Amino acid sequence: TQLLEQSPQFLSIQEGENLTVYCNSSSVFSSLQWYRQEPGEGPVLLVTVVTGGEVKKLKRLTFQFGDARKDSSLHITAAQPGDTGLYLCAGANDYKLSFGAGTTVTVRA
Amino acid sequence: NAGVTQTPKFQVLKTGQSMTLQCAQDMNHEYMSWYRQDPGMGLRLIHYSVGAGITDQGEVPNGYNVSRSTTEDFPLRLLSAAPSQTSVYFCASSWGQGIEQYFGPGTRLTVT
Repeated sequence: TQLLEQSPQFLSIQEGENLTVYCNSSSVFSSLQWYRQEPGEGPVLLVTVVTGGEVKKLKRLTFQFGDARKDSSLHITAAQPGDTGLYLCAGANDYKLSFGAGTTVTVRA
Repeated sequence: NAGVTQTPKFQVLKTGQSMTLQCAQDMNHEYMSWYRQDPGMGLRLIHYSVGAGITDQGEVPNGYNVSRSTTEDFPLRLLSAAPSQTSVYFCASSWGQGIEQYFGPGTRLTVT
C-alpha cells in the first residue's frame, strides 16, 4: 500500500495547456518534496514545502501544501515540451522519505 | 564535484548469484540511502544510513545488506539474487532529514 497516492498516473496534454498533479495521504508529514525524473536519470528536487498552507512558485510551476500537511498539489501553467517527465512527491518524517508512485506527464508540441 | 556516483550502470545476474552495487558521494553528506524503483510503485526505501557506522532498514530490506565504513561510500549487497529483485536501484545522499536528496544515475539490474 502506497503511503502517498498520486493522481493522475498519466497525463498527456498539448503545449500551452495547464495541468495539475495531486499528492494525497492520510499521514502528516514534516515536509513534502516534489521531484522530476527524466528517463535514465535519477530524480531531481523541484521544491520542498514545510508549512501547512504554504504556496511556492517556481516560474510556471506552483506548489501547494495542504493546511493539515497531508496533501499537496503541483500546477503547471502553459506547459511546454520541456516539462515532460515523471513527477514524484515525497513526504518526509524522521530520516525517511516516502514516495508516491509518480505522475507521467507528456506535453505534446 | 561528481555528486553521487553509482556503478555499474547495467547488470545482469543469474538467480542465486551475489553482487555489490557501489555508491559514492563527494559532498560530505551524512545521510545516504538506497531505493529501488519499479513501474507503478515509485521509489521504495531499502536501507539508509545517518552516518558512518550507522545503518537501518527501510521499507523493503529483505535480501539486501549494507554497510557504511566511510562517509563517502554506501555499498548495497545482494546476497542471493532473485527475479523479484529485477529493478532500477538509486542511491541518494543529503545533509539530513527532510532536506533535498541528491540521487545518483541509477543501476538497472536484471535477474534471470
